[in-house]
Amino acid sequence: QKEVEQDPGPLSVPEGAIVSLNCTYSNSAFQYFMWYRQYSRKGPELLMYTYSSGNKEDGRFTAQVDKSSKYISLFIRDSQPSDSATYLCAMRGAGSYQLTFGKGTKLSVIP
Amino acid sequence: DAGITQSPRYKITETGRQVTLMCHQTWSHSYMFWYRQDLGHGLRLIYYSAAADITDKGEVPDGYVVSRSKTENFPLTLESATRSQTSVYFCASSDRLAGGDLRNIQYFGAGTRLSVL
Repeated sequence: QKEVEQDPGPLSVPEGAIVSLNCTYSNSAFQYFMWYRQYSRKGPELLMYTYSSGNKEDGRFTAQVDKSSKYISLFIRDSQPSDSATYLCAMRGAGSYQLTFGKGTKLSVIP
Repeated sequence: DAGITQSPRYKITETGRQVTLMCHQTWSHSYMFWYRQDLGHGLRLIYYSAAADITDKGEVPDGYVVSRSKTENFPLTLESATRSQTSVYFCASSDRLAGGDLRNIQYFGAGTRLSVL
């Protein structure tokens, strides 16, 4: 079993929908949880991060971490065509600079 | 230009040839990373470097060599390219001295698409 599991999709939703993206992980040492967004033929860019358990909101985006279940989520409200991209979850332990990535979920928001 | 740049953006080579992918960053970040991205595997760490002259293996280092004589450059060399090394390669950097939120950010280059025929 890989340390981080992420459904690759693809996921197709209509504009304005609420999108839920998820990852599960097995390494209990992970403390920092990140979501990267990657547009086609571009490098990933950090969207949000959370430390330990809890929620974090930034505009239309909400990141949730449930360490007891080893489960993280990214919610996108009022999705826009410009949100069409691949979303990668990533995690690291405290004191480490190495990230472990999920495989990414490809999202298409249809106008 | 400020940021992290990779060259070339596209490269076609033949099996057995040596290929070097270049990565240059202008932020003086301590940490630099090389990843490969393949369908079905996602991003996998090849090598990373904590500072000049300090490098270490990641998840998939076989067939690759790195060096870091200067903080700003982190070249990746495929000593004898194989078809299985056809992939998109990303370089990233991270600031060891950054505080707060910035500690979690790895900044990625635009990638190099490598085809080994």
